Amino acid sequence: DAKTTQPPSMDCAEGRAANLPCNHSTISGNEYVYWYRQIHSQGPQYIIHGLKNNETNEMASLIITEDRKSSTLILPHATLRDTAVYYCIVSLEYGNKLVFGAGTILRVKS
Amino acid sequence: GAGVSQSPSNKVTEKGKDVELRCDPISGHTALYWYRQSLGQGLEFLIYFQGNSAPDKSGLPSDRFSAERTGGSVSTLTIQRTQQEDSAVYLCATTPGAGGKQYFGPGTRLTVT
Repeated sequence: DAKTTQPPSMDCAEGRAANLPCNHSTISGNEYVYWYRQIHSQGPQYIIHGLKNNETNEMASLIITEDRKSSTLILPHATLRDTAVYYCIVSLEYGNKLVFGAGTILRVKS
Repeated sequence: GAGVSQSPSNKVTEKGKDVELRCDPISGHTALYWYRQSLGQGLEFLIYFQGNSAPDKSGLPSDRFSAERTGGSVSTLTIQRTQQEDSAVYLCATTPGAGGKQYFGPGTRLTVT
């Protein structure tokens, strides 16, 4: 079973920030938080991952709470092409078979 | 550079037939994973290869499913005596080392009629 809880869907206006929440209250000390997304009919795409510090890359920012029981993925300026299913996954960094839940369907609207 | 490639992109087969699905990893990637995604479902782990270690087969749903990885490169997932419930998209992912971010291929859509 997936160890994360995400809202089933969210809408976001084009050009605005999309903030996708994830709860992972049973995360272990050595487990990372990974985010992937899947655009329709494509394979999943890695976005970002982190252990306890906030992370930022060219795609997104990841904010992890101090107790590590929840996190937020931030797409700073959402575009129509960001419409996808976003998966939050907790996993060991090595030998990490990913356990995907249902994810959040993000719809970016013009 | 080239990403993970999978072939065929689509496969339609009759119930009871055997099928082979192929995954070509990114050059130099030592870890390889197979997942499947049934219609409207999340991704389900099937099997994991890392270097010369014994594969982790814990996700294979039945003994009709098997996979090989020859020479630490190309992998083949074989489904024997296919059933309609095997219809799904089969995805391959690789990583440069034992972990970290996974690079997914485009998948093979298998339809069992």
